[in-house]
Amino acid sequence: ILNVEQSPQSLHVQEGDSTNFTCSFPSSNFYALHWYRWETAKSPEALFVMTLNGDEKKKGRISATLNTKEGYSYLYIKGSQPEDSATYLCAFYNTNAGKSTFGDGTTLTVKP
Amino acid sequence: NAGVTQTPKFRVLKTGQSMTLLCAQDMNHEYMYWYRQDPGMGLRLIHYSVGEGTTAKGEVPDGYNVSRLKKQNFLLGLESAAPSQTSVYFCASRARQVLTDTQYFGPGTRLTVL
Repeated sequence: ILNVEQSPQSLHVQEGDSTNFTCSFPSSNFYALHWYRWETAKSPEALFVMTLNGDEKKKGRISATLNTKEGYSYLYIKGSQPEDSATYLCAFYNTNAGKSTFGDGTTLTVKP
Repeated sequence: NAGVTQTPKFRVLKTGQSMTLLCAQDMNHEYMYWYRQDPGMGLRLIHYSVGEGTTAKGEVPDGYNVSRLKKQNFLLGLESAAPSQTSVYFCASRARQVLTDTQYFGPGTRLTVL
């Protein structure tokens, strides 16, 4: 079983704060790393997929980076808004296993 | 396009009862997955299928069976429900040619076993 770890487990910030969280994964047989956004009472939706070492992706105030050599990805949210409140899951896809392994998620709560 | 749908949305079972959860997708996806999600934990793969008529075990397959008789449907069965199977179950699918494994998820089924 592949180990995908996310930290912190939960985060409470004030509106306007910037924040970031981490996903760690095995560096061998890497193929792709996803970040999914999961709002309460909804289903997870893909936010970013990254495949190359050094990849950076951005969508509005949210961005992500990837380091496949050391096995980590960061998700950054600039100027958090209450609507950013959600659980952010990362999923590591490796060619050996042929399927994704999900982390436990980081739950972000943004207070107005 | 309805995407991925799951039936039922909620269910309460008594220990020992059986039930089947249905997942349907209208995106013509070859790959389909069943996950369970427990408090404080991410998604754990129960079973998956890479095409009609094929299934394979995931990380936590014990106590569950699956069938993929039609490409658009993936059924998850509990033959004799146990309280440890109380969870939220998510189905997902993706197209074979999406090599990065980006998945589309259903809305979930909340199952309680008393």
